[in-house]
Amino acid sequence: DAKTTQPPSMDCAEGRAANLPCNHSTISGNEYVYWYRQIHSQGPQYIIHGLKNNETNEMASLIITEDRKSSTLILPHATLRDTAVYYCIAGFSGNTGKLIFGQGTTLQVKP
Amino acid sequence: GAVVSQHPSWVICKSGTSVKIECRSLDFQATTMFWYRQFPKQSLMLMATSNEGSKATYEQGVEKDKFLINHASLTLSTLTVTSAHPEDSSFYICSASTGVGQPQHFGDGTRLSIL
Repeated sequence: DAKTTQPPSMDCAEGRAANLPCNHSTISGNEYVYWYRQIHSQGPQYIIHGLKNNETNEMASLIITEDRKSSTLILPHATLRDTAVYYCIAGFSGNTGKLIFGQGTTLQVKP
Repeated sequence: GAVVSQHPSWVICKSGTSVKIECRSLDFQATTMFWYRQFPKQSLMLMATSNEGSKATYEQGVEKDKFLINHASLTLSTLTVTSAHPEDSSFYICSASTGVGQPQHFGDGTRLSIL
């Protein structure tokens, strides 16, 4: 699995968009970018994933650069409940690939 | 969506006891499940890959005789911490995927405390 680099912490004002960056410069052509978040004392929650194209779902948007060396997770209107540790992972996943977690970004949404 | 359930959610037991944790995929079949461990203020660490009908694959440094994994059906994997000691106290989490390229879905974790 490719190594990912994320800032250790970020703050965001409630109601504003939260943009969380991730570098994955060694990602291989068939590795996906996955985003998860973990709220204290719970299992990680899947947010979104993508291979090459930008993706959007009800929770967030994922912007992947054309060279696939970095991506940004966008929470369009952050709420206090979005305060969590966000993990960006590059890997194959599925039923054969294992996911290796880095240290993630602690997002603090402030009122 | 895909749901992964873990049981128990919290267990406290005496040193030397063996503890079994169950991980179930509730609405899909999982030929592969993954077990992670997480210490306070640290990230998740992959312990092993559980394969239905065959032996688990352990990550480097994880004792296979200490952490017994059984994946007897397509919806159930179990992790048994044998002769648990206080240093085994941790948050254990399992995950499973619905298929190739699909995301893994995680259980809510089991908090194990060994006295």
